[in-house]
Amino acid sequence: EVQLVESGGGLVQPGRSLRLSCAASGFSFDAYAMHWVRQAPGKGLEWVSGISRNSGNIGYADSVKGRFTISRDNAKNSLYLQMNSLRAEDTALYYCSKDSYSYMSNGFDIWGHGTVVTVSS
Amino acid sequence: QSVLTQPPSVSAAPGQKVTISCSGSSSNIGNNYVSWYQQLPRTAPKLLIYDNNKRPSGIPDRFSGSKSGTSATLGITGLQTGDEADYYCGTWDSSLSAGVVFGGGTKLTVL
Repeated sequence: EVQLVESGGGLVQPGRSLRLSCAASGFSFDAYAMHWVRQAPGKGLEWVSGISRNSGNIGYADSVKGRFTISRDNAKNSLYLQMNSLRAEDTALYYCSKDSYSYMSNGFDIWGHGTVVTVSS
Repeated sequence: QSVLTQPPSVSAAPGQKVTISCSGSSSNIGNNYVSWYQQLPRTAPKLLIYDNNKRPSGIPDRFSGSKSGTSATLGITGLQTGDEADYYCGTWDSSLSAGVVFGGGTKLTVL
């Protein structure tokens, strides 16, 4: 079964850090680009970051650039998001998603269930 | 304020057809492929359309996508109550801050 399972979310104080993980199974993880997409409570989708299959191409939304770092370990079929200097506006459900292609596109064909990040004092 | 503009809501009766528009600019829709996602209540988004008009395996042909200039449209025929959901368009934006952008979402109500 094709599956993405996120973990690492939780309650964190403003200014602190958190690392999200996404475990992939059921497909050739190293053949596809991967992304993080978030959804604030009651709001729409916001792309956070993406990474190509070999990590050669990486992109970030302006809202997280300089604070978040995406990475992947193809040997472990895992995707990560290191989130530093967290702000209240980073509070959201964070989804891990698989791209339809090896390079970053906008066709995300597999999604995890998400992990909740709450930034509050 | 989303980069892509969608109507907040649309509605139609079961069995009818509905279209959802997505308006952008030359830096996004005008020069890039468009995708469409369905998000049922309390679930993760699901890819309905990619590369403007392609359907992933398992998506019924009641769902269709098209693009013209800087706008895209999702069409749904034979509406079912199970189609009630939020629908999002997405595309790549090639401006200085390159990345994926989404519309604000459209709530479909099947009356």
